[in-house]
Amino acid sequence: AQTVTQSQPEMSVQEAETVTLSCTYDTSESDYYLFWYKQPPSRQMILVIRQEAYKQQNATENRFSVNFQKAAKSFSLKISDSQLGDAAMYFCAYTRSGGGADGLTFGKGTHLIIQP
Amino acid sequence: DVKVTQSSRYLVKRTGEKVFLECVQDMDHENMFWYRQDPGLGLRLIYFSYDVKMKEKGDIPEGYSVSREKKERFSLILESASTNQTSMYLCASIGWGNTEAFFGQGTRLTVV
Repeated sequence: AQTVTQSQPEMSVQEAETVTLSCTYDTSESDYYLFWYKQPPSRQMILVIRQEAYKQQNATENRFSVNFQKAAKSFSLKISDSQLGDAAMYFCAYTRSGGGADGLTFGKGTHLIIQP
Repeated sequence: DVKVTQSSRYLVKRTGEKVFLECVQDMDHENMFWYRQDPGLGLRLIYFSYDVKMKEKGDIPEGYSVSREKKERFSLILESASTNQTSMYLCASIGWGNTEAFFGQGTRLTVV
């Protein structure tokens, strides 16, 4: 079974600084997808970034980027120029390729605090 | 925009009651999911469905059942609610051939 591990229950960063959230996963599949979801106090889950395992290039979305290390099964999220609106729970998630029918496996989450 | 709508944002029920949590999506997605979210435990999959009338157990199905009579609607049923089912419940859908999950806003259920 696939597992996703987030070892940082809580992180704190000063506004405008850079923070990195860690995620490791375990799978025997060779083709899969990894995600970072953000859940602000409104509770709405928002997709931040997606990485396809067969792509070596790290995904980037504006201030958000990932460091995907397939051999190490590591998938960290870097947030640059942190803003107050980035404060939220962040979840790392995994799904194997094949249509999404299995759903996503989530880590336990990291609570990100932005200090003004 | 894809929309996943959960019928209630907050719900308070008594122990032993039968509880229905409803989820409707408007994007003709084949796959629908119910997750439970608890602090420190993340999101755990309760049940999922890949087609009408089809259902599969997730990681924590005990005490729950589901119903999918129409493609757009996926219901989670607590046959006899217990206090340990007090939690946040999230519904999600994924279209066939896709991987991105779209979520409802969650139902915070309190069983007293």
